[in-house]
Amino acid sequence: GAGVSQSPSNKVTEKGKDVELRCDPISGHTALYWYRQRLGQGLEFLIYFQGNSAPDKSGLPSDRFSAERTGESVSTLTIQRTQQEDSAVYLCASSLAGSREKLFFGSGTQLSVL
Amino acid sequence: LAKTTQPISMDSYEGQEVNITCSHNNIATNDYITWYQQFPSQGPRFIIQGYKTKVTNEVASLFIPADRKSSTLSLPRVSLSDTAVYYCLVGWGNNDMRFGAGTRLTVKP
Repeated sequence: GAGVSQSPSNKVTEKGKDVELRCDPISGHTALYWYRQRLGQGLEFLIYFQGNSAPDKSGLPSDRFSAERTGESVSTLTIQRTQQEDSAVYLCASSLAGSREKLFFGSGTQLSVL
Repeated sequence: LAKTTQPISMDSYEGQEVNITCSHNNIATNDYITWYQQFPSQGPRFIIQGYKTKVTNEVASLFIPADRKSSTLSLPRVSLSDTAVYYCLVGWGNNDMRFGAGTRLTVKP
């Protein structure tokens, strides 16, 4: 597609359930980021993938959070045993490799944990 | 990582020029300065990027003083549709893409 695609756009789940969020980056973009944005707050960095390099996981808030990406394609963010504080918009962004490349964001997945 | 500081919020009126300043005292030699705009229920989108002096595009201008410890995003003659959150990002390389809290700009009629 022409832009970054995220699915689902909305996800409602019960506390304790696992959820999987998907991000399809722009074709050819080697860098991929996940961010979390709580209501009315800024973007919180979660994880960064660059090509086949080891991902930068320094932003993951707990071991319940994990993410995978195969090569330069789709990425999935998994949250295990969801808690109410996980409720937020999860944003994915991709970019070309390089220091000055702009980020292109998807519209996000609104996660609500009841 | 270069940390950024921006005002939390700003108010303006239609037709006015708005200047949003970002402080980044520990900016590194290789760091670029990038601004993003975010509307409600959308992901941020790129506005402008610069390294030093002044950069202008069809949307905004970016002023960077010689010491590069701050930068100012200038929006000419804002309209109601410019109401958004504006983020300043400083870094070099893709692993420096950490956003601050942003500045919430409200444009009033």
